[in-house]
Amino acid sequence: NAGVTQTPKFQVLKTGQSMTLQCAQDMNHEYMSWYRQDPGMGLRLIHYSVGAGITDQGEVPNGYNVSRSTTEDFPLRLLSAAPSQTSVYFCASSYSLAGGLHNEQFFGPGTRLTVL
Amino acid sequence: AQSVTQLGSHVSVSEGALVLLRCNYSSSVPPYLFWYVQYPNQGLQLLLKYTTGATLVKGINGFEAEFKKSETSFHLTKPSAHMSDAAEYFCAVTGYGGATNKLIFGTGTLLAVQP
Repeated sequence: NAGVTQTPKFQVLKTGQSMTLQCAQDMNHEYMSWYRQDPGMGLRLIHYSVGAGITDQGEVPNGYNVSRSTTEDFPLRLLSAAPSQTSVYFCASSYSLAGGLHNEQFFGPGTRLTVL
Repeated sequence: AQSVTQLGSHVSVSEGALVLLRCNYSSSVPPYLFWYVQYPNQGLQLLLKYTTGATLVKGINGFEAEFKKSETSFHLTKPSAHMSDAAEYFCAVTGYGGATNKLIFGTGTLLAVQP
C-alpha cells in the first residue's frame, strides 16, 4: 500500500491564483481530512469528510473548498490564494467511524505552499 | 466542543533524563485522547491513544501517558530520553463515541535532547 499520498510536495503561487492540492489513499478509509500547519499554531482542521459525497467544515475553512466524489480522493481547492494561506498542508485518513474517531489517523507527507 | 493546551512549546532534556510533555484538554463529552509525533520534514505518526479502559496507556518507543479525568490531563512521559526522541509532539482530542467527527490538535511541543 502507498498509504496517503499528496501532490505536489512544493508549490509557489501568486496572490489571486487558484490551485488544487491532491490527496489520495489506498486503504479504503472512510474518514479523510485536511489540516494546515503553521509555526506556533499546531495543526488546524480545514475540512473533513466522513465518506464519499459528504464533507463538512473544520476550524479554519474560509478560502478553501473540498469535494469527495470517491472514497480514495479528497482534493483541497484554493479559490483565490492569499499570502495568509502560506503554510504546510497535511491530508489524513482513518478507518471506519463506527464508535467515533478512535482509530489512528494516517498522515500524508505534506504540501509546502508559498503564496507571494 | 474540544480543545487542547500543551504547556511549553520547547522542552530540552539531557540524554537519559525523564521526558515529561504536558497536555490538558477541554471537552464537553468524554474524550478520546492521542499523542502524535512529527520528525523533521515528515507527516505525523501515532505514539499512543486513550479511548476507554485502562487510564495508563503505553505506546511506541517507550512512551506512555496517563489519562486523569479529575485533572483533565493526558501528560506524555518516557523514563529515559534518547537522541532519536528529538521531534515535535502533538496532543489531540476528539469526542467519545462519535460525539464529534473533528480531531483537534494542540500547538505542539518541540523536544530537544542534549548529549
